[in-house]
Amino acid sequence: DAKTTQPNSMESNEEEPVHLPCNHSTISGTDYIHWYRQLPSQGPEYVIHGLTSNVNNRMASLAIAEDRKSSTLILHRATLRDAAVYYCILRRYSGGYQKVTFGTGTKLQVIP
Amino acid sequence: DAGVIQSPRHEVTEMGQEVTLRCKPISGHNSLFWYRQTMMRGLELLIYFNNNVPIDDSGMPEDRFSAKMPNASFSTLKIQPSEPRDSAVYFCASSFQRGASYEQYFGPGTRLTVT
Repeated sequence: DAKTTQPNSMESNEEEPVHLPCNHSTISGTDYIHWYRQLPSQGPEYVIHGLTSNVNNRMASLAIAEDRKSSTLILHRATLRDAAVYYCILRRYSGGYQKVTFGTGTKLQVIP
Repeated sequence: DAGVIQSPRHEVTEMGQEVTLRCKPISGHNSLFWYRQTMMRGLELLIYFNNNVPIDDSGMPEDRFSAKMPNASFSTLKIQPSEPRDSAVYFCASSFQRGASYEQYFGPGTRLTVT
């Protein structure tokens, strides 16, 4: 399975933009890039996903490198509620089976 | 929809006892996942069901663990006998699978403590 690499932790000031990087140099052509986040004492929640093109939704933006070996989750204005562990994962569609590895993620601290 | 429902939310049991964790997925979803999360190992996929059929149980730690999905609206994860190293938060997640482009919805988790 293709692996992802993320920094263990990052800090951001409140109301500042945050760029969370993810490296996935062994990504295959059928791998979708998904981001989840886990708030304290909660289950992970979906944030955004993409294949090749940049994506935007109400929560965040996802910028995908042209060679797809890296991606960046962008929070446009960090709030205290965005303090969480952010996971970058790859999902491969192969005959209906999805093998997923969450990794350790990036713990984002938002400073008031 | 109420989301993925898990019960109990907390479970404390003694070593050697049987533990059963329950999950009700979101109605209409055709895939169900059981995960375990610990500080040491992070979030691990234990088993994946598609249309009530176990597709991959390679993440199940050992024979003490078993999972069933008798119908589309209910799944159980059983540990028998339980051991202190099974202490963790167990999450159930469900999704509607459309290729690789789908999102998983996680339940609130069951915090299991085995003494």
